[in-house]
Amino acid sequence: QVQLVQSGAEVKTPGASVKLSCKASGYTLTSYYMHWVRQAPGQGLEWMGLLRPSGDSTLYPQKFRGRVTMTRDTSTSTFYMELSSLRSEDTAVYYCGREKYGGNFDYWGQGTLLTVSS
Amino acid sequence: QTVVTQEPSLTVSPGGTVTLTCASSTGAVTSACFANWFQQKPGQAPRVVIYSTTNKHSWTPARFSGSLLGGKAALTLSGVQPEDEADFYCLLFCSGTWVFGGGTRLTVL
Repeated sequence: QVQLVQSGAEVKTPGASVKLSCKASGYTLTSYYMHWVRQAPGQGLEWMGLLRPSGDSTLYPQKFRGRVTMTRDTSTSTFYMELSSLRSEDTAVYYCGREKYGGNFDYWGQGTLLTVSS
Repeated sequence: QTVVTQEPSLTVSPGGTVTLTCASSTGAVTSACFANWFQQKPGQAPRVVIYSTTNKHSWTPARFSGSLLGGKAALTLSGVQPEDEADFYCLLFCSGTWVFGGGTRLTVL
């Protein structure tokens, strides 16, 4: 069965970087996009970007360009989302989720809590 | 920058029908767009209940349906149950990027 299992909670200081992971199983990675979204405490969902099925092409919204990098390690079926220059506003739960082309979203990870605090 | 707008809150009686909408600041939501609807209950990860505007997953209750309505994407719940109380978010792709709406808090009362 399809599973997306995300790494554990992180605590970082302002200015640092973090690399979150999302381990996929039960499907062919090269057939799906992988998206990352986040949710700050008490707030709504925010789309952070996607990695295309090829694994070498991304799409990021303007807000995150230059600060976010999404990658994949095919050998371990693991997706990564690295966010740099962290600030307190980046405190949120981060989710990975897959999409088959055509807006077909289905499975999502359980989420990773990132806390940015001095 | 695209802004996606949803009703902040709606209230419906058990057994009733309610329609949530999702509008884009760039213009009408059409069949060329992709709309996904997420349901999120407190303390839980969001889950997709409608994808590609009108399609249901195997876990989607039959009483949920997606459509285009008056230039917006819409999610209709018919015969609402108490367990439908949740936050609902639309995720829209209409103009080259994905954007979430601000969410609708649905209260069943």
